[in-house]
Amino acid sequence: QQKVQQSPESLIVPEGGMASLNCTSSDRNVDYFWWYRQHSGKSPKMLMSIFSNGEKEEGRFTVHLNKASLHTSLHIRDSQPSDSALYLCAAANYNVLYFGSGTKLTVEP
Amino acid sequence: AQTIHQWPVAEIKAVGSPLSLGCTIKGKSSPNLYWYWQATGGTLQQLFYSITVGQVESVVQLNLSASRPKDDQFILSTEKLLLSHSGFYLCAWSLNRGDAEQFFGPGTRLTVL
Repeated sequence: QQKVQQSPESLIVPEGGMASLNCTSSDRNVDYFWWYRQHSGKSPKMLMSIFSNGEKEEGRFTVHLNKASLHTSLHIRDSQPSDSALYLCAAANYNVLYFGSGTKLTVEP
Repeated sequence: AQTIHQWPVAEIKAVGSPLSLGCTIKGKSSPNLYWYWQATGGTLQQLFYSITVGQVESVVQLNLSASRPKDDQFILSTEKLLLSHSGFYLCAWSLNRGDAEQFFGPGTRLTVL
């Protein structure tokens, strides 16, 4: 059973729109959450991290975390075609990082 | 600045043949090092991690082994490849802290025929 579940599997938003991605861990031992972005054929690059309950904003990107439910979400406002990629949620338990299967985001011009 | 290099960039190998993939980190001493595998269209899975030279912990059993012969080097290997070993292999490093971000290398694309 996967320890990190992401939804939706794929998402299409118009340019300038809002994209909302979800992630939940089934492992109560995880302590830290990250969001990575992976373009096709490339390695993942970290977008944002969140370790405490609440919200964190960086530019067009906002992440939320609810540690009680082990749920995190990533919101991208004013989406751009260059945001089209696979978005990976990851949760850490000590030195082990568990990734979800990702949300494929397509931003249509 | 830290740089992470993986070799080879891509490899095509026969089933049953041996494999050795390498990773080096420059500009950072005593990093944590990690190996990941991603099947085409699949989930990124952590295979091994190492917090110090000569010490490697296995996370997922895939008939692969890893070694850390030097502080800045991490090697992934097997004596006998399976078709299921095909995929994208990524090396990553981080500081030795639980909340440390992992930085990924460019990856090695492996095709087993």
